[in-house]
Amino acid sequence: DTAVSQTPKYLVTQMGNDKSIKCEQNLGHDTMYWYKQDSKKFLKIMFSYNNKELIINETVPNRFSPKSPDKAHLNLHINSLELGDSAVYFCASSPTPTGPTYGYTFGSGTRLTVV
Amino acid sequence: AQSVAQPEDQVNVAEGNPLTVKCTYSVSGNPYLFWYVQYPNRGLQFLLKYITGDNLVKGSYGFEAEFNKSQTSFHLKKPSALVSDSALYFCAVRDIKYNQGGKLIFGQGTELSVKP
Repeated sequence: DTAVSQTPKYLVTQMGNDKSIKCEQNLGHDTMYWYKQDSKKFLKIMFSYNNKELIINETVPNRFSPKSPDKAHLNLHINSLELGDSAVYFCASSPTPTGPTYGYTFGSGTRLTVV
Repeated sequence: AQSVAQPEDQVNVAEGNPLTVKCTYSVSGNPYLFWYVQYPNRGLQFLLKYITGDNLVKGSYGFEAEFNKSQTSFHLKKPSALVSDSALYFCAVRDIKYNQGGKLIFGQGTELSVKP
């Protein structure tokens, strides 16, 4: 019954490695997002997809590449991981990209630790 | 650009006392405002939102928020705090650019600690 699910929940990896985080939503929403929460708990949007189309791409290193095979899935691939990539990454979804009345439904997060 | 600010990093309250978590906003156009709560090692959970209408918005877990246009504030309140309310609270504004999609812009968060 999980609405927005992310895997893995925890990820510990060495610098220079490539890793992926997966996200799936079963809410029938059209829009999905990736947010990064840093060590000071600050939340910043990274990407947004609407029905498989990239609509928001904030200033993020191009080592980060999102992929949306269908509107229920949004994955995040990170190349050449750096220490500064350590953070909690949240996936979220909303019914539409611009409907002002809608908030987001968040996944439980993936804690990435780069050593 | 749309933004929200939470002026307090931490709020300490005794159980049973009223609590207020402050949020001020800066928007062009209509403000679409939200409160979320994050419990330790969990994702964010929606509490309430203001879109239009009544300035007092009621939400989950007994929380409410008051929208004040003249003070550009959207403070979160609860008449009687519980220890289980201890968590990280985020105020957010929906920033909508119709050619780019909308996004939630979050404040920096306020850690609420309720002591028995």
